Amino acid sequence: DTEVTQTPKHLVMGMTNKKSLKCEQHMGHRAMYWYKQKAKKPPELMFVYSYEKLSINESVPSRFSPECPNSSLLNLHLHALQPEDSALYLCASSQDLGAGRWETQYFGPGTRLLVL
Amino acid sequence: AQSVTQPDIHITVSEGASLELRCNYSYGATPYLFWYVQSPGQGLQLLLKYFSGDTLVQGIKGFEAEFKRSQSSFNLRKPSVHWSDAAEYFCAVGAGSNDYKLSFGAGTTVTVRA
Repeated sequence: DTEVTQTPKHLVMGMTNKKSLKCEQHMGHRAMYWYKQKAKKPPELMFVYSYEKLSINESVPSRFSPECPNSSLLNLHLHALQPEDSALYLCASSQDLGAGRWETQYFGPGTRLLVL
Repeated sequence: AQSVTQPDIHITVSEGASLELRCNYSYGATPYLFWYVQSPGQGLQLLLKYFSGDTLVQGIKGFEAEFKRSQSSFNLRKPSVHWSDAAEYFCAVGAGSNDYKLSFGAGTTVTVRA
């Protein structure tokens, strides 16, 4: 099974709201990722977690705050977002990271976020 | 740094016809190559991947891709397209020491007409 689940599927929030996106995988993967995808564009990497520790932050604004409570869960906390942050937010996971070889990334269905 | 080019922004194909999507990459050594498909409003689904070995790779949904080192290409093919194949297709490359950052092509939108 190569399933990554994400909740909610859709989210509408105001610029003063605080909300969270959730991602879960039960494949025993030790690396998890957040991507942002604008319409008609490829995904852009935001964060990478490896063994529950933040490994990579691709210069993402602090209004996005990731969290990895355990090896199966990845959250993205949102605060004071701007309308231009409206996008599809994708979570992905892979077996491992930093082992000197590439591992396949498996993506979830995404959360479509609209910031008003 | 590696780069990926998908020359075709949009392809329209008749149902039952064959489909070929082009992908070219720029990297000095052999990269790790992936094709993902994204249906409208959905996440990315892995169609197939090439890491090493046989250069003709079989994937899900009847897709295959061929790695050609001499042409730096990894083109995706399907002999007979179904209406459900209408989607966005992304070629992605993993290369270099950063074994986490995929380089995606811009994507090709496939429209299937009856």
